[in-house]
Amino acid sequence: RKEVEQDPGPFNVPEGATVAFNCTYSNSASQSFFWYRQDCRKEPKLLMSVYSSGNEDGRFTAQLNRASQYISLLIRDSKLSDSATYLCVIRNNNDMRFGAGTRLTVKP
Amino acid sequence: EAGVVQSPRYKIIEKKQPVAFWCNPISGHNTLYWYRQNLGQGPELLIRYENEEAVDDSQLPKDRFSAERLKGVDSTLKIQPAELGDSAVYLCASRTHDSYEQYFGPGTRLTVT
Repeated sequence: RKEVEQDPGPFNVPEGATVAFNCTYSNSASQSFFWYRQDCRKEPKLLMSVYSSGNEDGRFTAQLNRASQYISLLIRDSKLSDSATYLCVIRNNNDMRFGAGTRLTVKP
Repeated sequence: EAGVVQSPRYKIIEKKQPVAFWCNPISGHNTLYWYRQNLGQGPELLIRYENEEAVDDSQLPKDRFSAERLKGVDSTLKIQPAELGDSAVYLCASRTHDSYEQYFGPGTRLTVT
């Protein structure tokens, strides 16, 4: 089992749709959780951290379920500019593990 | 504020040749990472530095890869000799001591022919 597994995708959705990505992790001692966004042929950039109580940033909502060892990212009212690959990142001490990413394409 | 700088952006070499990548992290960032990203995959850690000390190089293929971070600022990653399977994007990232947010450079896209 991989340390970090994401929905394989790709997700193709129309503008305005709501889309959710899931990510599971194998190390129950993991301490921090993040979602990064990576545009085509660009570097990853932090989208948001994921807090235990869940957190929201505009149209983006992140959730953490420690018991089931997964995190999720919900995007509401999708925009064309949301098209990218979304990377799940799990931290255990100073060790950061990236998932393979889920590609999202938002279409007009 | 300048971001993480990497050079070159692209490199094409023949197998068995050496290649080197350079990274200049954000000023004041003590922690520096080198990652390799294959197509359709997430970044995989090669080595992590805390200042000038390599504190995690367990994933670095030491038979052909080497890295250094003299003076705890710039870093270079070298491959000698390169193999076809080394074709990938090599990303450098840095962060401060008190935050786990990593800032990535634009990467070096290596093609080994």
